[in-house]
Amino acid sequence: DQQVKQNSPSLSVQEGRISILNCDYTNSMFDYFLWYKKYPAEGPTFLISISSIKDKNEDGRFTVFLNKSAKHLSLHIVPSQPGDSAVYFCAASLTGANSKLTFGKGITLSVRP
Amino acid sequence: DVKVTQSSRYLVKRTGEKVFLECVQDMDHENMFWYRQDPGLGLRLIYFSYDVKMKEKGDIPEGYSVSREKKERFSLILESASTNQTSMYLCASKPPGQHNNEQFFGPGTRLTVL
Repeated sequence: DQQVKQNSPSLSVQEGRISILNCDYTNSMFDYFLWYKKYPAEGPTFLISISSIKDKNEDGRFTVFLNKSAKHLSLHIVPSQPGDSAVYFCAASLTGANSKLTFGKGITLSVRP
Repeated sequence: DVKVTQSSRYLVKRTGEKVFLECVQDMDHENMFWYRQDPGLGLRLIYFSYDVKMKEKGDIPEGYSVSREKKERFSLILESASTNQTSMYLCASKPPGQHNNEQFFGPGTRLTVL
C-alpha cells in the first residue's frame, strides 16, 4: 500500500513559467513533508520541507503548500529554469518512527528553454 | 558540509557473487539508511541503522544484509547477487534531533548484475 503518491510521472514546462508538482498521502499521522531533487547519476538533494502544522513554506523560487484536509501537498517553482530539470521526490516522515522517510515514486520535470 | 561517500559509483558483478557496498559519513550521524532506486518505483528502503551494531529491516530487505561495526560506516551486503538486484543503491544518513527528519544522501552506486 503506497502511502505517498506522485501520480504524474512527468511534467514539461516552458522556461520562466510556473512548475507545479503534486503529491498525495494517505497517513494522516505524517508530521513532516520533504521534497528532494535528483539529477541522473547523483544522490538526491534536499530542497524544502514543511511541518504539518503549517500550510505554506517558501524558499526563494520554491514554495510548498500543504492541504491537510485533502492530504495533498504541492511544490511550486517560479520561475522555472532549465537547470530545474530533474526527478523530484516527495517524502513524508513520522517523528519517532526511527526517522524513516516514506518516498513517492518521483516525477520527472523537464524545463524547455 | 555533510559528506556521505559510497565506495563505488559503478559496479558490475556476476550472478551468485557476494557484493559489498560501503557507505561512510563524516558527521557523526547516528541514523544511516540504504535505499534502492528503480524507474517507476521511487526510493525503497532496504535497511536502516540507528546505532552501532543495530539494524532494522526496511520495506524490501529480502536478499540483503547489513553491517554497522563503526558509527561512520554502514555496509550493504548482497549475499548472492541476482539480476533483479541490478539497481541504483543510495546511502543516506541523518543527524540526531533533525526536526524535519532530513536525510543526507551519498552519490549512489549503480550496480549491474550479469
